Amino acid sequence: AQKITQTQPGMFVQEKEAVTLDCTYDTSDPSYGLFWYKQPSSGEMIFLIYQGSYDQQNATEGRYSLNFQKARKSANLVISASQLGDSAMYFCAMREDNFNKFYFGSGTKLNVKP
Amino acid sequence: DTAVSQTPKYLVTQMGNDKSIKCEQNLGHDTMYWYKQDSKKFLKIMFSYNNKELIINETVPNRFSPKSPDKAHLNLHINSLELGDSAVYFCASSQALGAVSGNTIYFGEGSWLTVV
Repeated sequence: AQKITQTQPGMFVQEKEAVTLDCTYDTSDPSYGLFWYKQPSSGEMIFLIYQGSYDQQNATEGRYSLNFQKARKSANLVISASQLGDSAMYFCAMREDNFNKFYFGSGTKLNVKP
Repeated sequence: DTAVSQTPKYLVTQMGNDKSIKCEQNLGHDTMYWYKQDSKKFLKIMFSYNNKELIINETVPNRFSPKSPDKAHLNLHINSLELGDSAVYFCASSQALGAVSGNTIYFGEGSWLTVV
């Protein structure tokens, strides 16, 4: 079974609107971390936001928030007030603490339209 | 200062050649990785080292040989390059092995390898 699933290969959003990028994960490890990364066309991988499996509150970092629904094993990224510079690939990732492995999803390509 | 740096950024080489990609991190992390990103953007782990010791080897052909002279460096040497090796190779690092969920993984800028 896939550890991380991103079901949206591509998404469009209008500038200044909010967008949600979906991510579901699969683990039996009670302790894990969930991450989102942005990869612009220049290629670098930029860390955006982190959520721990024991965190009670959803993580937020500026315009990014992580909608963590533990029972559903989902960790969706919400970008508020989209900007043209948000156009990029977005990867969801999980780290299982017992194995020190990072698993990445297949990515979602976000296009922000002016 | 760049946290994770890898060189070269671009590499075009012929089939059958041997090439190396170097990686250094100045974050004081204990764990370093090599990932391969294919043309479909899928990121696949190749190797992971913790304090110079190999801990993950994900069934990578033995033409790929990582070397970690110290915990701040992890180099990747590739022998007898094949067309299918063309990809972006990312070096990355994270804090200690084990049960601390907050330790994110930081990536280098990637090395674009093209085998012709």
